Amino acid sequence: SYELTQPLSVSVSPGQPASITCSGDKLEDKFVSWYQQKPGQPPILVLYEDDKRPSGIPERFSGSNSGNTATLTISETQTMDEADYYCQTWDNYSYVFGSGTKVTVL
Amino acid sequence: EVQLVQSGAEVKKPGESLKISCKISGYTFANYWIGWVRQMPGKGLEWVAIIYPRNSETKYSPAFQGRVTISADKSISTAYLRWSSLKASDTAMYYCTRHEIQNIGSYWINYWGQGTLLTVSS
Repeated sequence: SYELTQPLSVSVSPGQPASITCSGDKLEDKFVSWYQQKPGQPPILVLYEDDKRPSGIPERFSGSNSGNTATLTISETQTMDEADYYCQTWDNYSYVFGSGTKVTVL
Repeated sequence: EVQLVQSGAEVKKPGESLKISCKISGYTFANYWIGWVRQMPGKGLEWVAIIYPRNSETKYSPAFQGRVTISADKSISTAYLRWSSLKASDTAMYYCTRHEIQNIGSYWINYWGQGTLLTVSS
């Protein structure tokens, strides 16, 4: 079955950029979405179709997908961005989620 | 406003059956795929199943096929997830999800319910 690999954690200082990677075989041939989940809350969609932002998501969230790696970038990370982030794609009639990355802002 | 309102927390014993629900409002229920995602305590997200209420077409994750049944009642805009025999390993938060499907291979979840916490313990 298809797998998406994410780093376990990313640490970033406030105001600095943060990048979260998501790796999978020939991932550039697939669409990738990203979700943010804060403790005790359901996830929310932050990007879809690699780089599109839903209404209400700040412009500091951006995405790319090339080769085997998709990347979520937070341009000027704020303390409110501290959360778990999951990538997701669709493969062989199944949703596939990455294992999740904990972003710590300190 | 799109809302997915899930049934409340459940505490069950191994071997018992259960059906949890997700009541939809704010859009035409029949027109969008709706599904369920599991999150075990302290763990990541796992896709369970989806259903297209208009024609009841279903898709299951291989990991959950045969363990759960997804269904939908268009008359009351409600989706369900059912277990016939619960196990302790079913203990998790279950999120109801509304899905968007656009271009070929473009599938994502744009709305999430608040979650239903299931605890299975003897």
